[in-house]
Amino acid sequence: SQQGEEDPQALSIQEGENATMNCSYKTSINNLQWYRQNSGRGLVHLILIRSNEREKHSGRLRVTLDTSKKSSSLLITASRAADTASYFCATALLQGAQKLVFGQGTRLTINP
Amino acid sequence: IAGITQAPTSQILAAGRRMTLRCTQDMRHNAMYWYRQDLGLGLRLIHYSNTAGTTGKGEVPDGYSVSRANTDDFPLTLASAVPSQTSVYFCASSKEAGSYGYTFGSGTRLTVV
Repeated sequence: SQQGEEDPQALSIQEGENATMNCSYKTSINNLQWYRQNSGRGLVHLILIRSNEREKHSGRLRVTLDTSKKSSSLLITASRAADTASYFCATALLQGAQKLVFGQGTRLTINP
Repeated sequence: IAGITQAPTSQILAAGRRMTLRCTQDMRHNAMYWYRQDLGLGLRLIHYSNTAGTTGKGEVPDGYSVSRANTDDFPLTLASAVPSQTSVYFCASSKEAGSYGYTFGSGTRLTVV
């Protein structure tokens, strides 16, 4: 079974609205990362949050991490059409942290 | 431009043929990875290398082999391709294993017929 699972699988909102995506995982982590993938392209790293951090910001992105609930959320504020993409969370496990395990992603569509 | 180059971008391959997917990075990253992406299954790790000269098996290594003779190159070989290896293959690298974000290549779309 997947270590990380995103919720929802698909999200469609109007331009200017905020988008929130969630990620849950099963085992203890070293860090959790979020990636964006535009259709037909490679993944792009957005943000990394370590297990001892609770919140990080990068531009219009805000990531939270709750290790007690084994969950993370990605908030994109004031969404734009260019934010349309798939978003993946990935976890670096505490044991064997040398490699990331990816969830199946959330497909985000921003409607103009 | 610093980054990862994958080749070819796409390939149609007859079952039973041998194929090597190429991956080169110019960022002097120590760690490199190969993932395959399939609809409904997400990204799954095939093989990884934490540093030049070492490799390890990921989640789905069967039918694939890798080598890491130097820092920059991490080729993935399919010894005898089968239709279930039809997928999009992504190479990635990170400065060090475990604590840094990954840089991904643009992918190789492989169809085995």
